[in-house]
Amino acid sequence: DAGVIQSPRHEVTEMGQEVTLRCKPISGHDYLFWYRQTMMRGLELLIYFNNNVPIDDSGMPEDRFSAKMPNASFSTLKIQPSEPRDSAVYFCASSYQAEAFFGQGTRLTVV
Amino acid sequence: AQSVTQPDIHITVSEGASLELRCNYSYGATPYLFWYVQSPGQGLQLLLKYFSGDTLVQGIKGFEAEFKRSQSSFNLRKPSVHWSDAAEYFCAVALTGGFKTIFGAGTRLFVKA
Repeated sequence: DAGVIQSPRHEVTEMGQEVTLRCKPISGHDYLFWYRQTMMRGLELLIYFNNNVPIDDSGMPEDRFSAKMPNASFSTLKIQPSEPRDSAVYFCASSYQAEAFFGQGTRLTVV
Repeated sequence: AQSVTQPDIHITVSEGASLELRCNYSYGATPYLFWYVQSPGQGLQLLLKYFSGDTLVQGIKGFEAEFKRSQSSFNLRKPSVHWSDAAEYFCAVALTGGFKTIFGAGTRLFVKA
């Protein structure tokens, strides 16, 4: 398996624009997590899914953030509208029996 | 609330010296415990995990960790550090019943020649 695949690897966008981050989990994994990593706040869990169903979105910072998992092989994290403080590295991870595998991350810069 | 504490923001050790990174957790029951490593610009890689059983677990790259229930700790150790071990290390817990995984703030390891 190719591992967890995230796209794009880098995204630069202007404040106010919509940003969509994509994730393809490892086949057969039943959990999917979205994390945000910043120097100030470290690794924050934003939301996670079990069998495509959102279980806990308490880490989503604001209504500007939304995540979907329409099927077992694809998930998106959307920010609309984006703000400079959203600049961070966003990681997707999938897991089976609690062992999480991470993607390479998407580095988002909002200017 | 559940939490994971890594008290050392950064540690510097000499190549060949031993290493211990500390991790404490706060949770009502014994969660699943993990150590991950992150190299610059990369995602996180699992070093080792503890679910149950033997409290001393072996991982990749010569790392081991010991679970101590009485101290709510899961410290990571390596007997002899290599320059390539320089990275950031994260302790994590997955809460049983939902596998929600939360991470400590990380410890950055510097290795000097």
